[in-house]
Amino acid sequence: RKEVEQDPGPFNVPEGATVAFNCTYSNSASQSFFWYRQDCRKEPKLLMSVYSSGNEDGRFTAQLNRASQYISLLIRDSKLSDSATYLCVVNTGNNNDMRFGAGTRLTVKP
Amino acid sequence: NAGVTQTPKFQVLKTGQSMTLQCAQDMNHNSMYWYRQDPGMGLRLIYYSASEGTTDKGEVPNGYNVSRLNKREFSLRLESAAPSQTSVYFCASSEAGTYYGYTFGSGTRLTVV
Repeated sequence: RKEVEQDPGPFNVPEGATVAFNCTYSNSASQSFFWYRQDCRKEPKLLMSVYSSGNEDGRFTAQLNRASQYISLLIRDSKLSDSATYLCVVNTGNNNDMRFGAGTRLTVKP
Repeated sequence: NAGVTQTPKFQVLKTGQSMTLQCAQDMNHNSMYWYRQDPGMGLRLIYYSASEGTTDKGEVPNGYNVSRLNKREFSLRLESAAPSQTSVYFCASSEAGTYYGYTFGSGTRLTVV
C-alpha cells in the first residue's frame, strides 16, 4: 500500500464548478499535511497547509480527518487557471521526510 | 528573486558518466532536500540535509551522493549514471523540517541513455 494515495483523475469540470479531491495516508504518526499545486513541467508550489480544524483560503478549503486518515481539498467556483495537478503531501512523523501522492489532475474547461 | 535555483535545467548523460546537480537557496533556510519525480509516482526523497553539516538518506538514496557545501548550497552527485536514473530532479528547502512546507527549484530533467 502506498503511504499517500490519491485518485489520479483526470477531473474535467466546467468553469464555475465545485470540485473535491481526497487523499488517504497510511502513517497514523503523521503530523503535517499540505496541498501543493504543480503545473505541467513546472515545480510543485505550496497551495495550503491543512490544519486539524480545517482551513479556508479564498475559494479553497482543506480538511483533515485524522480518525479516517484522509485529507481533502475543495475548490469552489473553478477558474481556467485552476487547471493543474494537485499533490497531497504528508510527513512521515520524521520531521524531515515528507511523502507525496502521485497527484490528481484537474482540467477546468470554458 | 528569492528562491531555490537549480542547475542545469536539462542534461543528457551516457550510461556510466557522472555529473553533479547544483542547488542554492537564498532564503536562509536550514533544511534542504533532493527529490526525484517519475511518471505516475509521487516525488520521492533521495537525500536531505536538516542543517548545515548534516546529510541523511531518504527513501531512494542508492546511486546518489550529496554534499551540503554551506547553508545555501546542497549538491547531488551521480557517480555512474544508469538509465533507471532518468527522471526529473527537484531541490527544495524549508525553514525547519516539514512543518512549514517546502520551496522547490524549477527542476533538472535528466536523461540517461
